[in-house]
Amino acid sequence: NAGVTQTPKFQVLKTGQSMTLQCAQDMNHNSMYWYRQDPGMGLRLIYYSASEGTTDKGEVPNGYNVSRLNKREFSLRLESAAPSQTSVYFCASSETRDAYGYTFGSGTRLTVV
Amino acid sequence: DAKTTQPTSMDCAEGRAANLPCNHSTISGNEYVYWYRQIHSQGPQYIIHGLKNNETNEMASLIITEDRKSSTLILPHATLRDTAVYYCIVRPLETSGSRLTFGEGTQLTVNP
Repeated sequence: NAGVTQTPKFQVLKTGQSMTLQCAQDMNHNSMYWYRQDPGMGLRLIYYSASEGTTDKGEVPNGYNVSRLNKREFSLRLESAAPSQTSVYFCASSETRDAYGYTFGSGTRLTVV
Repeated sequence: DAKTTQPTSMDCAEGRAANLPCNHSTISGNEYVYWYRQIHSQGPQYIIHGLKNNETNEMASLIITEDRKSSTLILPHATLRDTAVYYCIVRPLETSGSRLTFGEGTQLTVNP
């Protein structure tokens, strides 16, 4: 199994450009999450989706939108990128009961210049 | 979710046991203790979790005090590949889409 797959792995954007980060999981998990991690800091939750058809804001949602396309896929969109959004973005998934913890993807390294 | 306190950094000699402490004095009765680690530049990796009994799996052991106000993650024979940031998190298990909140964690460095 691939687990959680994120694309792209690296991206450089100019200020004001838009892009969508893609995430897909093949574990039939109900819940999916988007986190960002700035250098030297812990992960902060941007948005999450408890189940297909639902999304909720996390700790730092401003400047982002999400779409839970189906049970497998959860995308994160930056409508107008800003340098403050330079970060590493991690997608994760889990079962509702979370008996085995979250499974994280390998991350997308985004630089906004 | 209850707040946790961990040392900022720790060192361990290769082949020795690494004991990582975590204080969670405000833990509620329905909250579990979870441990994750993040090896440089990679996504966090689940290690182990427990409620009140000690737990062991192929990666580590988790010792939770009787009053549940603190716990210790034990890597029995640390290797260089165990060098990582280790996060202790407390949260309820049975919550739909509940959020995993990461603190600063402990940077464990395993030395040759």
